[in-house]
Amino acid sequence: GENVEQHPSTLSVQEGDSAVIKCTYSDSASNYFPWYKQELGKGPQLIIDIRSNVGEKKDQRIAVTLNKTAKHFSLHITETQPEDSAVYFCAASSTSYGKLTFGQGTILTVHP
Amino acid sequence: DGGITQSPKYLFRKEGQNVTLSCEQNLNHDAMYWYRQDPGQGLRLIYYSQIVNDFQKGDIAEGYSVSREKKESFPLTVTSAQKNPTAFYLCASSYQGANTEAFFGQGTRLTVV
Repeated sequence: GENVEQHPSTLSVQEGDSAVIKCTYSDSASNYFPWYKQELGKGPQLIIDIRSNVGEKKDQRIAVTLNKTAKHFSLHITETQPEDSAVYFCAASSTSYGKLTFGQGTILTVHP
Repeated sequence: DGGITQSPKYLFRKEGQNVTLSCEQNLNHDAMYWYRQDPGQGLRLIYYSQIVNDFQKGDIAEGYSVSREKKESFPLTVTSAQKNPTAFYLCASSYQGANTEAFFGQGTRLTVV
């Protein structure tokens, strides 16, 4: 089955800096890669996703890149703000019904 | 408002008791999922259901059971056979098919004492 590894497990940055979180996956058939943000005591919320026919996608301060050859994808957050502090999860899916395999999560802390 | 609702938010049970967690969605999604979240381990899939009256085991189904009698509802029962039931449980739903966003509920924190 699919295995997703996520690094780093914790990330601390100063407000205004950039943050990068990286994930690798094992199943070459995976074709959908979402990123979720989870705030304390809440369920995860989708912040951006990318499909295998695209190499990069941007949404304001957030971008995701995908390298299918190397089987890794990354989340980039620019101009970080304290409200970006949360746990971020990457995930991968290769099935027809949307079953997701999640990475272990990254605790991002943005210091004012 | 459309969404996915889990109840209760906090649940306490004595060891050896079965407990059922509720999950309801009004998004008209065909697929529903249950995940377990433990610190440092991400989300692990317990059970999933693609259509009514059908469901499949995920990666950590032992000690859990589900039913899918209605499209809107996918309750999870944590049985006494689950060796370490204390965790944060998340329900999700999505449209049928690949590459579709999964919407999550707010979670139920189960504590077994």
